[in-house]
Amino acid sequence: QKEVEQNSGPLSVPEGAIASLNCTYSDRGSQSFFWYRQYSGKSPELIMSIYSNGDKEDGRFTAQLNKASQYVSLLIRDSQPSDSATYLCAVVRGFKTIFGAGTRLFVKA
Amino acid sequence: EADIYQTPRYLVIGTGKKITLECSQTMGHDKMYWYQQDPGMELHLIHYSYGVNSTEKGDLSSESTVSRIRTEHFPLTLESARPSHTSQYLCASSEFGHPNGNTIYFGEGSWLTVV
Repeated sequence: QKEVEQNSGPLSVPEGAIASLNCTYSDRGSQSFFWYRQYSGKSPELIMSIYSNGDKEDGRFTAQLNKASQYVSLLIRDSQPSDSATYLCAVVRGFKTIFGAGTRLFVKA
Repeated sequence: EADIYQTPRYLVIGTGKKITLECSQTMGHDKMYWYQQDPGMELHLIHYSYGVNSTEKGDLSSESTVSRIRTEHFPLTLESARPSHTSQYLCASSEFGHPNGNTIYFGEGSWLTVV
């Protein structure tokens, strides 16, 4: 079992819809949680971080954390074709950051 | 915006050649990383450093080596390149010991092709 699990996708949603990306992690001692976006041929870039249970909103993006269920999600409202990318979940445990394999998202115009 | 620079961006070299991929950051970050990523595949951590004179191997075994003589500089060297080394290499950095210091900033990557 991988430490950080993501559905590889592709997840396909129509423009304007809500895209829901999910991530589970295995170590209950994990402290910090991140979502990175990676466009094809580019480097990952940070979208959001979340440290405590609940929701955190930033523009069209909402990160949700449930430590009891060991579950992190990213919601993208009003999805745009420019949101089409691979989304990487990252979990920090101690001094180590573990990346998931990523979920590919396609937003259809 | 992250200030982390990688050179060369693209390199095609012959088998058996020695290469060094350069990475520099101007953010004063203590922690630096090298990841390897094939197109469409996941990131694999191959080396990291906590600071000057600190180097550690990552999760994926690699024939490359790294050094950290200066805080801002973290070069990766392949002594004898092989076609199996063809990949994208991503350098990254983060703060260390800061409460919000776990954000990792990536360089633009070095695409290596060994023929």
